[in-house]
Amino acid sequence: DQQVKQNSPSLSVQEGRISILNCDYTNSMFDYFLWYKKYPAEGPTFLISISSIKDKNEDGRFTVFLNKSAKHLSLHIVPSQPGDSAVYFCAATRTDSWGKLQFGAGTQVVVTP
Amino acid sequence: SQTIHQWPATLVQPVGSPLSLECTVEGTSNPNLYWYRQAAGRGLQLLFYSVGIGQISSEVPQNLSASRPQDRQFILSSKKLLLSDSGFYLCAWSVGGNPYEQYFGPGTRLTVT
Repeated sequence: DQQVKQNSPSLSVQEGRISILNCDYTNSMFDYFLWYKKYPAEGPTFLISISSIKDKNEDGRFTVFLNKSAKHLSLHIVPSQPGDSAVYFCAATRTDSWGKLQFGAGTQVVVTP
Repeated sequence: SQTIHQWPATLVQPVGSPLSLECTVEGTSNPNLYWYRQAAGRGLQLLFYSVGIGQISSEVPQNLSASRPQDRQFILSSKKLLLSDSGFYLCAWSVGGNPYEQYFGPGTRLTVT
């Protein structure tokens, strides 16, 4: 049962433009959401998170938006840089669950010159 | 600063052979520890998590087991590997106060032949 879904397996964007990655979830009990970035043959690295009490969180070029009613979150990267080329995973959890994260399948982002 | 080590980086094992993957964390005390598996084309699936020495919780019934013999050591084992055990195994840690922001090791690529 996939509770976190990333329906776009890949995304290609030009350098300098905006990258928008989408994520949907089905469990209304999730109250904390995270994005991770992963390069080939490496472990994922934490990027940004958002609590369900907020609808936006910004960290430099990365902004996460949360729409609780739609059970949808998105990650915006502005401007996109070649080093942003990686797989991005969305994750969700309940804050009473000791960090048991549910991950999406990931979106491969390719930033072209 | 904290670092997490996993070994080996790659492993090829025949069906029916045993498995032992080791993970150690440096620079922190009493971390939460996690084992994840990423199968081809899938997101990360939580296998086990531990909040302290000897305390292991299993998320998915399977052919694997985990142990935490020391505070910063987490071991993933199997007595007899199956073909379906192939995948990318990741160890992660987090601090007790914020178990959701997890920090991953470099991973082990396991191929069962």
